[in-house]
Amino acid sequence: KQEVTQIPAALSVPEGENLVLNCSFTDSAIYNLQWFRQDPGKGLTSLLLIQSSQREQTSGRLNASLDKSSGRSTLYIAASQPGDSATYLCAVVGYKLSFGAGTTVTVRA
Amino acid sequence: GAVVSQHPSRVICKSGTSVKIECRSLDFQATTMFWYRQFPKQSLMLMATSNEGSKATYEQGVEKDKFLINHASLTLSTLTVTSAHPEDSSFYICSASPLAGQTDTQYFGPGTRLTVL
Repeated sequence: KQEVTQIPAALSVPEGENLVLNCSFTDSAIYNLQWFRQDPGKGLTSLLLIQSSQREQTSGRLNASLDKSSGRSTLYIAASQPGDSATYLCAVVGYKLSFGAGTTVTVRA
Repeated sequence: GAVVSQHPSRVICKSGTSVKIECRSLDFQATTMFWYRQFPKQSLMLMATSNEGSKATYEQGVEKDKFLINHASLTLSTLTVTSAHPEDSSFYICSASPLAGQTDTQYFGPGTRLTVL
């Protein structure tokens, strides 16, 4: 059974600081990995998808890396803004999406 | 594009009643729909996967007689929580995929908050 862990569970930073969010998974036999954003009481917005053959994926201020062999992915958010405040979920794609519990980010103005 | 809606966004019901939640793909045909449940500060847990016109496939531990799923058309799936109890209170999220069996192409709905009194 795939287990996905996200550390830390919560993070508070001042505006402008770079964010580093970690995701680890137990079974390296994955198709790909996705990062999502969830605002309070809302659904999920897909941020980045990394194929299992890729090492990283970038979109604007977001960069996600994947190390399948060690079962880790990291999401970097550069120059954080208050609008980045949300919960960030990683999900490993096998026959189903296996989600971590998320990291709740607060960016202080 | 790829918008998924859910209705209602919030529902409060009495214990013992049944509640129906709708999930619609607004601008694409959803071959496969997924239903998830999320407890506070916990991860989303897949409850079931449904393909249009077929019976839903439930994950281990999910009671199929309690959580009835119908995927009668390519744009609509419903989840009915039967004889709801307070422990069924949760955030229910659906997702839809235009591709059969494609788990990495899912578009998520905004979720439905169910509170059972």
